[in-house]
Amino acid sequence: QLHLQESGPGLVEPSETLSLTCTVSGDSISNPSSTSYYWGWIRQPPGRGLEWIANVYYRGSTYYNPSLKSRGTVSVDTSGNQFSLKLSSVTAADTAVYYCVRPRGQPHYWYFDLWGRGTLVSVSS
Amino acid sequence: EIVLTQSPGTLSLSPGERATLSCRASQSVTNSYLAWYQQKPGQAPRLLIYGASSRATGTPDRFSGRGSGTDFSLTISRLEPEDFAVYYCQQYGSSQTFGQGTKVEIK
Repeated sequence: QLHLQESGPGLVEPSETLSLTCTVSGDSISNPSSTSYYWGWIRQPPGRGLEWIANVYYRGSTYYNPSLKSRGTVSVDTSGNQFSLKLSSVTAADTAVYYCVRPRGQPHYWYFDLWGRGTLVSVSS
Repeated sequence: EIVLTQSPGTLSLSPGERATLSCRASQSVTNSYLAWYQQKPGQAPRLLIYGASSRATGTPDRFSGRGSGTDFSLTISRLEPEDFAVYYCQQYGSSQTFGQGTKVEIK
């Protein structure tokens, strides 16, 4: 059974870079026979709604929410069966629970059928 | 960007009652690419419905979705105790955006 687990620092200082990793277990992130070709990130500020951040194809193509204004970078590490998110120049507005997710559907038309448990990242000095 | 507006903000009902949640889009959603999620406190969201009306694996048949264009709805035919939660709609016809959520609480 496919499982996603986020990891990374729970506290990041303003203007620094937030870095998170999602470890995939139960399937290979780059297995051509896998039904899971895309991987992604969604965040949820405390007490608020959900915001899609980015998706990444297992071969490396990336797709971002324009609202991030080019601060985000997602990548895949096939050897570690992981994918990652980096968000630069963070502010308090980036404080949120960050979820790694599995996007499904047609390319560019994604819903999300599998979620990690989420990890809270606070931006504060 | 397509903005999704969910109503009501909070729905107070008793177990066994019928719940109808609304999700209205600021412009037409391509191919009815609309999904619904359930989120309980301290948990990640769980996919219930995709394509406006297709149940995800494991979604009980008391959950049903319908709609097209700009108006969509999620109906829970008879509320079970485990259904009290926050529900989000998401459109994926033009990038991916979420509504602000509807809380279904016990009356």
